[in-house]
Amino acid sequence: SYELTQPPSVSVSPGQTARITCSGDALPKKYAFWYQQRAGQAPVLVIYEDSKRPPGIPERFSGSSSGTMATLTISGAQVEDEADYYCYSRDSSGDHEGVFGGGTKLTVL
Amino acid sequence: QVQLVQSGAEVKKPGASVKVSCKASGYTFTTYYIHWVRRAPGQGLEWMGIINPSSGSTTYAQKFQGRVTMTRDTSTSTVLLELSSLRHEDTAVYYCARGYGSGVGYWGQGTLVTVSS
Repeated sequence: SYELTQPPSVSVSPGQTARITCSGDALPKKYAFWYQQRAGQAPVLVIYEDSKRPPGIPERFSGSSSGTMATLTISGAQVEDEADYYCYSRDSSGDHEGVFGGGTKLTVL
Repeated sequence: QVQLVQSGAEVKKPGASVKVSCKASGYTFTTYYIHWVRRAPGQGLEWMGIINPSSGSTTYAQKFQGRVTMTRDTSTSTVLLELSSLRHEDTAVYYCARGYGSGVGYWGQGTLVTVSS
């Protein structure tokens, strides 16, 4: 089955830039989406279609995709950005089957 | 505003089935797909499947095929997830989420399902 691979953890100091990667063979053909999940809360969409930001998401969140890797960048990370982050995409072999990456724990301290 | 309101927590015994409902409001129900996603303790998000509320057609993750059923009731704008033959490892928070382009956008509040003997 199709897999998306993320690093288990990323750690930065407040104000630094955090980059979280997501690799998958179908990413050249399929969009990547990114979600933030704080402890005890439902996930929140922070980036859609590789690089678009939904309304209400701070400008410090940005996304990019090149080849088989998508990247979520948090420029000037804040303490409140500490959370689990997941990428999501679809398998190129099917229209609707989705998959999440394993998740990355972002620590800001 | 878009809202997805899920049913309350459930406790089930191994081998039983569970049904979780998800009531949508704030948009035209038949326009957007609904996904089901779960997160088990200490694990990441896991995509379970998707339903087209307009046609009722479904796609399930291979892992759950044969145990999962997703249905919808257009008269009440509600989607239902049923998972059968429950095992301890099915203990998780289950989320419904509305489609957003080719991905997942708006999420329900989550429903805790505990499988315990």
